[in-house]
Amino acid sequence: DAGVIQSPRHEVTEMGQEVTLRCKPISGHDYLFWYRQTMMRGLELLIYFNNNVPIDDSGMPEDRFSAKMPNASFSTLKIQPSEPRDSAVYFCASSASGSLSEQYFGPGTRLTVT
Amino acid sequence: KNEVEQSPQNLTAQEGEFITINCSYSVGISALHWLQQHPGGGIVSLFMLSSGKKKHGRLIATINIQEKHSSLHITASHPRDSAVYICALLSSGSARQLTFGSGTQLTVLP
Repeated sequence: DAGVIQSPRHEVTEMGQEVTLRCKPISGHDYLFWYRQTMMRGLELLIYFNNNVPIDDSGMPEDRFSAKMPNASFSTLKIQPSEPRDSAVYFCASSASGSLSEQYFGPGTRLTVT
Repeated sequence: KNEVEQSPQNLTAQEGEFITINCSYSVGISALHWLQQHPGGGIVSLFMLSSGKKKHGRLIATINIQEKHSSLHITASHPRDSAVYICALLSSGSARQLTFGSGTQLTVLP
């Protein structure tokens, strides 16, 4: 299996622009997680899905952030409009069902908003 | 008080040394992850454990549920072990999200 795939790997954009991050989970995994990592706050959960349905989005910072999972093999995290404080590494992870299934992380997308 | 505390924050060791990284937590959990993040940024799950001890190569992870404490040990450390090691809690109950420690930066010198 190719593992969790994220694109793009790096994104540089100007403040105010829309940014879309993409994730393809491991086939057969029915949980998908979006995390953000910054120097100040470390790793934080933004949102997670089970069977394409958002379960907990309490970590989404504000209305500028939205996430979708239209099918089992694809999810997007969108920031509109982007701000410099959104600069971070965004990780997607997936896991199988079962209470003790490990999470597998994608390589991350490094976002820089200037 | 944070739900999960790691110590030390930074650790420098000489090649070959035995290394211990600690993780203490204050909430009920169903399992605990140890993750490794290399300078390139990728995150790899080393262990997930809910009781006892697991071993993989030179890495050993232990957890004491009653004391709410876990340790990650590296035997015969090597410079390629240099990375950030992160402890992450999997909540008890139906929630599946991870709560992360702040990480331990390990540097192993040749």
